[in-house]
Amino acid sequence: KAGVTQTPRYLIKTRGQQVTLSCSPISGHRSVSWYQQTPGQGLQFLFEYFSETQRNKGNFPGRFSGRQFSNSRSEMNVSTLELGDSALYLCASSEDRPNTGELFFGEGSRLTVL
Amino acid sequence: QQQVKQSPQSLIVQKGGISIINCAYENTAFDYFPWYQQFPGKGPALLIAIRPDVSEKKEGRFTISFNKSAKQFSLHIMDSQPGDSATYFCAASGQGGGATNKLIFGTGTLLAVQP
Repeated sequence: KAGVTQTPRYLIKTRGQQVTLSCSPISGHRSVSWYQQTPGQGLQFLFEYFSETQRNKGNFPGRFSGRQFSNSRSEMNVSTLELGDSALYLCASSEDRPNTGELFFGEGSRLTVL
Repeated sequence: QQQVKQSPQSLIVQKGGISIINCAYENTAFDYFPWYQQFPGKGPALLIAIRPDVSEKKEGRFTISFNKSAKQFSLHIMDSQPGDSATYFCAASGQGGGATNKLIFGTGTLLAVQP
């Protein structure tokens, strides 16, 4: 099976712009989660989707949003970018077995905000 | 109560030695404790995991020890190898009800195994 695919892998934006990141989960996985990874804050949960519904949301401002499509692919959007949004954004997919922690991560999209 | 505290921040071990990383949590609703391994440029990958009803789980050179009363768990890497050099994250999930795969991660431990 192919792993979790994230695009783009690298991108550079300027403050005030918006960005959309894409994630294709492992075939058959219906749950997709997003995490932000920074040197200072580590891995922080953004949101989780299952069957096109947001099941859980982390403590991030409303500028961070996401969605999931009927084929389980997911996108996240960050509007009005700030310098502090520079991070590695990781997508993870899992089977529908909640509370197992068995997440399969992609290699991430590295966002740099100038 | 949602935090998972991890130590040490970095660790240097000689080849063949034992690497030990410790984590502590407060939320007793957590019921699943995985460890993830991350190499540079890659996403984290599940290494080993444990539930509170078991005090120890071993998979090859990797062992999790779990102390429910102390709310602590640790990862032991026996016979550490240079290929084990990576960042290790402990995590916890189980939010007291409701279906979720949300993980609360520790801050990570950068392990360097010297040849």
